[in-house]
Amino acid sequence: EAQVTQNPRYLITVTGKKLTVTCSQNMNHEYMSWYRQDPGLGLRQIYYSMNVEVTDKGDVPEGYKVSRKEKRNFPLILESPSPNQTSLYFCASSASGRMDTQYFGPGTRLTVL
Amino acid sequence: SQKIEQNSEALNIQEGKTATLTCNYTNYSPAYLQWYRQDPGRGPVFLLLIRENEKEKRKERLKVTFDTTLKQSLFHITASQPADSATYLCALLPHTDKLIFGTGTRLQVFP
Repeated sequence: EAQVTQNPRYLITVTGKKLTVTCSQNMNHEYMSWYRQDPGLGLRQIYYSMNVEVTDKGDVPEGYKVSRKEKRNFPLILESPSPNQTSLYFCASSASGRMDTQYFGPGTRLTVL
Repeated sequence: SQKIEQNSEALNIQEGKTATLTCNYTNYSPAYLQWYRQDPGRGPVFLLLIRENEKEKRKERLKVTFDTTLKQSLFHITASQPADSATYLCALLPHTDKLIFGTGTRLQVFP
């Protein structure tokens, strides 16, 4: 089954404790991205990757890092999480870029205390 | 400033009626517009795409219109069912920028 998977689905952590949210897709998609979704603000792009070893900032990249060492994986790293990063996070992939249909993962609900 | 607006108030309609959701935008020159469905606790799921040179697109009970003069897209669900209850997001792709999402409108279809 074609899908985007994320782990963990739920995470509660404390300020400053580094964490990684994994994202993997099995559709051989080139383009992957991370979004956060907050009430009243909609989906906002954090980072995106056009291909392996190619990443770029989205609209709200501060406090986040990403890497794309393999085509299928695109982890999101919070080196020192803060309470304002409490949000619902989605990984998405598409076949060739921003113009294509985005396939979203199930989401990761992160709470930073 | 550039904005995409969807009605933040929930739309409540009776089963069997047509639901119409609105997506308005300002200061964008869109290449195309997409509509997604999002269920609680789930990621958005793509429904339809309409290009700037298209007026209307249909898929089963779904219809999307795109008026670049009015800067508006309408999303219709005919013969609505309780299973259509969800939040619907519009997403716009400008010619020179990334995909921009609206905040979504929650649709509730009651029997």
